[in-house]
Amino acid sequence: GEDVEQSLFLSVREGDSSVINCTYTDSSSTYLYWYKQEPGAGLQLLTYIFSNMDMKQDQRLTVLLNKKDKHLSLRIADTQTGDSAIYFCAEANFNKFYFGSGTKLNVKP
Amino acid sequence: EAGVTQFPSHSVIEKGQTVTLRCDPISGHDNLYWYRRVMGKEIKFLLHFVKESKQDESGMPNNRFLAERTGGTYSTLKVQPAELEDSGVYFCASSSGLTPREQYFGPGTRLTVT
Repeated sequence: GEDVEQSLFLSVREGDSSVINCTYTDSSSTYLYWYKQEPGAGLQLLTYIFSNMDMKQDQRLTVLLNKKDKHLSLRIADTQTGDSAIYFCAEANFNKFYFGSGTKLNVKP
Repeated sequence: EAGVTQFPSHSVIEKGQTVTLRCDPISGHDNLYWYRRVMGKEIKFLLHFVKESKQDESGMPNNRFLAERTGGTYSTLKVQPAELEDSGVYFCASSSGLTPREQYFGPGTRLTVT
């Protein structure tokens, strides 16, 4: 079945850029997503990219998609302590989502 | 606009007991999904409703799990009898018919089976 892989942890200093990486296996995925989960909260949809795009920028967030390598990344510019959370990558084929295990981002002041 | 809500936020039950989780989707959203995250691993799809019909229930682990969405509004997920491996966080999500690709998640129900 579909497999989505992420590294478990990332630690950065406040003000630096964070890059969270994700690889997936389903080449027929139509959309790829990034969700954020803060402690005690649900998953917040951050952004998503259509599979025929290679980049999407939204304020401090930049999503890069390398479809050939099935690699997705999320770059957070000027990372703040409020960005500390778990970030989930997901691929979707129609309405069915396949998530990774999440990357815990720790932002040090 | 209210988001997706789930009840309870946390449930602790003994093995063999029954638990019913509830999800209220965003008003007007025809699509409702259940997911589960076990032991800090990936979030796994359980099933998908379109209105009151089960569109895809391929992720349901076994027949101890029963999901319903009578009337096409809120949904319940019943686990009977609960086993230790059912412990985890159960998420509900919903999306509209116009933008099904945007799934909005609830805060989850943490189920602990002892």
